[in-house]
Amino acid sequence: ETGVTQSPTHLIKTRGQQVTLRCSSQSGHNTVSWYQQALGQGPQFIFQYYREEENGRGNFPPRFSGLQFPNYSSELNVNALELDDSALYLCASSPGPQTSTDTQYFGPGTRLTVL
Amino acid sequence: AQKITQTQPGMFVQEKEAVTLDCTYDTSDPSYGLFWYKQPSSGEMIFLIYQGSYDQQNATEGRYSLNFQKARKSANLVISASQLGDSAMYFCAMVPKTSYDKVIFGPGTSLSVIP
Repeated sequence: ETGVTQSPTHLIKTRGQQVTLRCSSQSGHNTVSWYQQALGQGPQFIFQYYREEENGRGNFPPRFSGLQFPNYSSELNVNALELDDSALYLCASSPGPQTSTDTQYFGPGTRLTVL
Repeated sequence: AQKITQTQPGMFVQEKEAVTLDCTYDTSDPSYGLFWYKQPSSGEMIFLIYQGSYDQQNATEGRYSLNFQKARKSANLVISASQLGDSAMYFCAMVPKTSYDKVIFGPGTSLSVIP
């Protein structure tokens, strides 16, 4: 059973650019959630995808968008990057969307730096 | 408002001693899940333990136990027999069932284990 993987590990972009982050969910999991973790803070929920549909969203602007594919892997896209988007982006997969009972398993994260 | 509070920004513990990391939460939802995660300097969030709001027994997983006091809305993590590898950030998280897609994380506690 493979765990959650994310790519790339690190990324440097400039303000105004666009970025795509990728996540492969754990085998048997159909739900992926994305989080933004600024330095020294706890993760903030961005959105969740369940069976290829967005299933909930946190307080992030529309320039944060995502996709989930038939194999349940997922992408996070961020347009018009701002300096405050610099953070660790974490992907978590779970066997279902009921995250009050379904444990989420996290990937190693992508460290995004916006200059 | 739904919120997690971790009042200890940093903690020190002697190797082989037990340590308690505090977590209090605020929710009006009668049904929710509580989680603890460990985040080493590598960045990956590692699931430690889960407690459901209706669980009668306190959760235990190896050296980890959760001291759940529902009336006080507290869910403290107890680590017994601390090891050097326990040095990391520890996050308490809550998922109210009515917002089952949204995990709320606390600000974290940094634990340092001293030889």
